[in-house]
Amino acid sequence: QVQLQQWGAGLLKPSETLSLTCGVYGESFSAYYWRWIRQPPGKGLEWIGEINHSGTTNYNPSLKSRVTISVDTSKKQFSLKLSSVTAADTAVYYCARVSGSPSQSNYMDVWGKGTTVTVSS
Amino acid sequence: QSALSQPPSASGSPGQSVTISCTGTSSDVGGYAYVSWYQQYPGKVPRLIIYEVNKRPSGVPDRFSGSKSGNTASLTVSGLQTEDEADYYCSSYAGNNNLQVFGTGTKVTVL
Repeated sequence: QVQLQQWGAGLLKPSETLSLTCGVYGESFSAYYWRWIRQPPGKGLEWIGEINHSGTTNYNPSLKSRVTISVDTSKKQFSLKLSSVTAADTAVYYCARVSGSPSQSNYMDVWGKGTTVTVSS
Repeated sequence: QSALSQPPSASGSPGQSVTISCTGTSSDVGGYAYVSWYQQYPGKVPRLIIYEVNKRPSGVPDRFSGSKSGNTASLTVSGLQTEDEADYYCSSYAGNNNLQVFGTGTKVTVL
């Protein structure tokens, strides 16, 4: 049964770069897309973007200029970088497995436990 | 792309049914049968409960059902139980460069 384990810095100062990594355990890595989602305190979910094993990415247009999602297939890991963070980027960040295809039916059926990221001076 | 619109709250007594709407446009909900729903307890990880409008993953009770009409998708919880008290989010494929969009979320209260 697949498990996602995520890690990264939880406290950042404004203008720094957020960096998170998600490791995939117990499942085929190449068969899926892998997604990042975030949830600001008391608010709803927001799609950030996703990547597949070959490095094909899709990004939320509202974040695209600051977001980079990368993959290390040999380690079965994918990572999120968000540059120039502000207080508005404070959120719980989740990684998730995408079943289906981003260009068709797709849904997140396995989630990481989430990482709380706080941006504060 | 804009978030899909959901009512902020919904409620029902145990045993009753509650239906949550998820309204988008012809570019997302209305254009594709690619709506999914997620249940989230406070402080917990979201859980997939419906995909492709009306399909339930293994382990999800059949009290949960989904449907779609035009630009609006709906999640119905029948025979409400206390453990159904949670936040619910819809999500849809939004076409155009493989965009994805979430709903604004609905808090379900079991009275």
